[in-house]
Amino acid sequence: ETGVTQTPRHLVMGMTNKKSLKCEQHLGHNAMYWYKQSAKKPLELMFVYNFKEQTENNSVPSRFSPECPNSSHLFLHLHTLQPEDSALYLCASSPGGDTVGQSYGYTFGSGTRLTVV
Amino acid sequence: GQSLEQPSEVTAVEGAIVQINCTYQTSGFYGLSWYQQHDGGAPTFLSYNALDGLEETGRFSSFLSRSDSYGYLLLQELQMKDSASYFCAVRSRNYGQNFVFGPGTRLSVLP
Repeated sequence: ETGVTQTPRHLVMGMTNKKSLKCEQHLGHNAMYWYKQSAKKPLELMFVYNFKEQTENNSVPSRFSPECPNSSHLFLHLHTLQPEDSALYLCASSPGGDTVGQSYGYTFGSGTRLTVV
Repeated sequence: GQSLEQPSEVTAVEGAIVQINCTYQTSGFYGLSWYQQHDGGAPTFLSYNALDGLEETGRFSSFLSRSDSYGYLLLQELQMKDSASYFCAVRSRNYGQNFVFGPGTRLSVLP
């Protein structure tokens, strides 16, 4: 497989459930990201990992917990979510490191469509 | 803080040229990117401008004016498959060198 793969594609969970989203990249990138995409809102950066170290936590509620065991895998653990957390959760990767000024983009996965009931 | 503005919707016909504008407010600006996202799909990278001027890649071109905090994406010879949402994204020191995305512009290409 190539690119960024996210599983599951769709997830419906109750507010008391615990679930995890998985992201895997086969691009040899060193940075991975979680974004939240809600209807009629810009993509919101949630977490950033650079060389397996968390470098950004954008004031995300503690009911979202990221995990990055290695440069190829990223998880988002979910527990006691609220209905307003229903959204498309996108994972992305990039070369990482100090690449300011270099022309590169993020490679996104197709996302997990999460519905909290 | 920082903010990005884009038109919410643009409509054009096949074969036409369309320009999608993006204005931003940030400090520590590094560069401006554009992404395309089809319904139900992943955002895909189109371009990145760090310096002023126009960069051309096939039918798509991207422009940046750092002094005006402004950029645009130019799509030529529009095709039906270009119907999608287009996001500008700013990379800045304020955000730890990460990209912050605009609200997106929904482009509809009509036959």
